[in-house]
Amino acid sequence: SAVISQKPSRDICQRGTSLTIQCQVDSQVTMMFWYRQQPGQSLTLIATANQGSEATYESGFVIDKFPISRPNLTFSTLTVSNMSPEDSSIYLCSAEGNYGYTFGSGTRLTVV
Amino acid sequence: AQSVTQLGSHVSVSEGALVLLRCNYSSSVPPYLFWYVQYPNQGLQLLLKYTSAATLVKGINGFEAEFKKSETSFHLTKPSAHMSDAAEYFCAVGAQGGSEKLVFGKGTKLTVNP
Repeated sequence: SAVISQKPSRDICQRGTSLTIQCQVDSQVTMMFWYRQQPGQSLTLIATANQGSEATYESGFVIDKFPISRPNLTFSTLTVSNMSPEDSSIYLCSAEGNYGYTFGSGTRLTVV
Repeated sequence: AQSVTQLGSHVSVSEGALVLLRCNYSSSVPPYLFWYVQYPNQGLQLLLKYTSAATLVKGINGFEAEFKKSETSFHLTKPSAHMSDAAEYFCAVGAQGGSEKLVFGKGTKLTVNP
């Protein structure tokens, strides 16, 4: 199964700033997914990222707020832009491996 | 459209007792079904996956789940709970064919009492 390295693992950021989260997969994958897990909640899909095309965003999420890059088949970034305290969440990336969908260890973001 | 309902946001069992975490799904296409575990301050770890082969799926750490199409259920069980099983458990549904987003249930927090 694919192994995903995600960083940073946590960060505390000032409101109005941006944070870029990186995910590196140890094998080539077609699709990568970005999820948000708000405190005490389940996971909500932000967008699906294909290599070589623009990401597909779910309802309620927009590219200006959550720009995504997918430069190759093993790497993706998610940027949380112009942050506010409401963006405090865990952000996780995911990719489909041989056995199932694998997740990164998550980025715990706190906006102050 | 797909959806997942996990019955019981909190489940408490004694060490050595049976663990039963309930999951019902809705899917307009043949589903893939997953159980994930999340330990405090960690990411998600895959416990097991149903992919239309055997209806009884065995996973890691002694967990298993049975796919029941007639009941649209995929309940997670473990015969004997261990203290280390205390975590949050998420059921998720995807569409067969792969490369599709997963829809997650709200999660069930399992507490294991000594």
